[in-house]
Amino acid sequence: NAGVTQTPKFQVLKTGQSMTLQCAQDMNHNSMYWYRQDPGMGLRLIYYSASEGTTDKGEVPNGYNVSRLNKREFSLRLESAAPSQTSVYFCASRKDGATNEKLFFGSGTQLSVL
Amino acid sequence: QKEVEQNSGPLSVPEGAIASLNCTYSDRGSQSFFWYRQYSGKSPELIMSIYSNGDKEDGRFTAQLNKASQYVSLLIRDSQPSDSATYLCAVNDYKLSFGAGTTVTVRA
Repeated sequence: NAGVTQTPKFQVLKTGQSMTLQCAQDMNHNSMYWYRQDPGMGLRLIYYSASEGTTDKGEVPNGYNVSRLNKREFSLRLESAAPSQTSVYFCASRKDGATNEKLFFGSGTQLSVL
Repeated sequence: QKEVEQNSGPLSVPEGAIASLNCTYSDRGSQSFFWYRQYSGKSPELIMSIYSNGDKEDGRFTAQLNKASQYVSLLIRDSQPSDSATYLCAVNDYKLSFGAGTTVTVRA
C-alpha cells in the first residue's frame, strides 16, 4: 500500500517564486492535513480538509493556499515564496475527524527558499 | 499560550533506564491524546493513544492521562538506543495539535 504520497521530496526556490506541493492518499480517507515542521516548533497545522469540498485554516495559514481536488488529493500552494517558508512540510490523512482516529503521514517535503 | 506544551529536553538517559516525557494541554474539553515518535529525517509514527484517565501499557511504553490536571505522560521502560528519537505529544481538538517535541537520546 502506498498510503500517503507527497511530491516533491526536495525543492529549492528563490524568493517570489511559486510552487505547489502535491499530496495523494489511497486509503479512502475523508480528512487531510498540511503541517509544517521547523526546528524546536513541533508540527504546526497550515490547512486541513475535513472532507472533499471543504478546507479550513489552521494555525499558520498566511502565505499558503490549498485545494482539495478530489477525495484522494490535497495540494498546498505557495504563491510567492518567502525565506520564512523554509521548512519541512508533511501531508497527513485520516479516516475522518473523529477524535480517536490516528494520522497517517507522508514522507515529507524539504523546502528551502533562498 | 501554546495549546500543547512538552518538557523541552533534550533528555539523555542511560540504556536500560526509564525515560519520562511530560505534556500539558490547555483545552479542558480534549478527549484523545497521542504520542508520536519521529526519527531524524523521517515522518512521525504513532506509538500510543490514550482516551481515559489512568495508565495504558503497550510493551515497554506506558501512557498516563490525568484529565483533571490536563496532563499526559509517556514512560519508556528499559530504554534502548533504538528509542533515540523525538517524541511528539498530540491532542485531538479535531485539528490535532502537536507539542514542540522532546528529543530523547539513549546512551549505550
